[in-house]
Amino acid sequence: AQKVTQAQTEISVVEKEDVTLDCVYETRDTTYYLFWYKQPPSGELVFLIRRNSFDEQNEISGRYSWNFQKSTSSFNFTITASQVVDSAVYFCALTQTGANNLFFGTGTRLTVIP
Amino acid sequence: DAMVIQNPRYQVTQFGKPVTLSCSQTLNHNVMYWYQQKSSQAPKLLFHYYDKDFNNEADTPDNFQSRRPNTSFCFLDIRSPGLGDAAMYLCATSRRVGGYTFGSGTRLTVV
Repeated sequence: AQKVTQAQTEISVVEKEDVTLDCVYETRDTTYYLFWYKQPPSGELVFLIRRNSFDEQNEISGRYSWNFQKSTSSFNFTITASQVVDSAVYFCALTQTGANNLFFGTGTRLTVIP
Repeated sequence: DAMVIQNPRYQVTQFGKPVTLSCSQTLNHNVMYWYQQKSSQAPKLLFHYYDKDFNNEADTPDNFQSRRPNTSFCFLDIRSPGLGDAAMYLCATSRRVGGYTFGSGTRLTVV
């Protein structure tokens, strides 16, 4: 069975603050993929990152960074110097090798206050 | 640009009146998915096609059907929409595990 937990339902930060969104996952597979998606109010799902289970390197892309730790089954997402445009719902998701379903967490609604 | 296109972006239908949502792709991906996302919830998979093979999730209501006439197109048919079917419907494609592309979604309102 697989499960993705995003314990933070809603987070509010003031612009320029850093914020970390937590994601904890469960899977029995040794090979799997983890994702983060952004969903702005318009509704589309915007792909942010994909990480496979064999690559534990952390990644930085501009103001975004991701910390993947298999030891704690976590794949956390940090936004540095947040901006109002970062306000959205962020979903962490998991899929297993050989499967064709993307399992989503319940999402974290981030509000960045100007 | 290669992409996944969903039409219409917004759909209003009457209670009980059949409605069809469409999805097309220019990526030539062999897998196409339909997800339902209700307000403030995570997207939930309804079914997917692997080429022509249809795979229904166990808890997808019979009211929801799908057709994939060719690689590029996939349709979601709701035979008798109820108020509880109001949601965002997201189409996605993938060629292999790990590479999903989502459309912009169709927001369905049932009146």
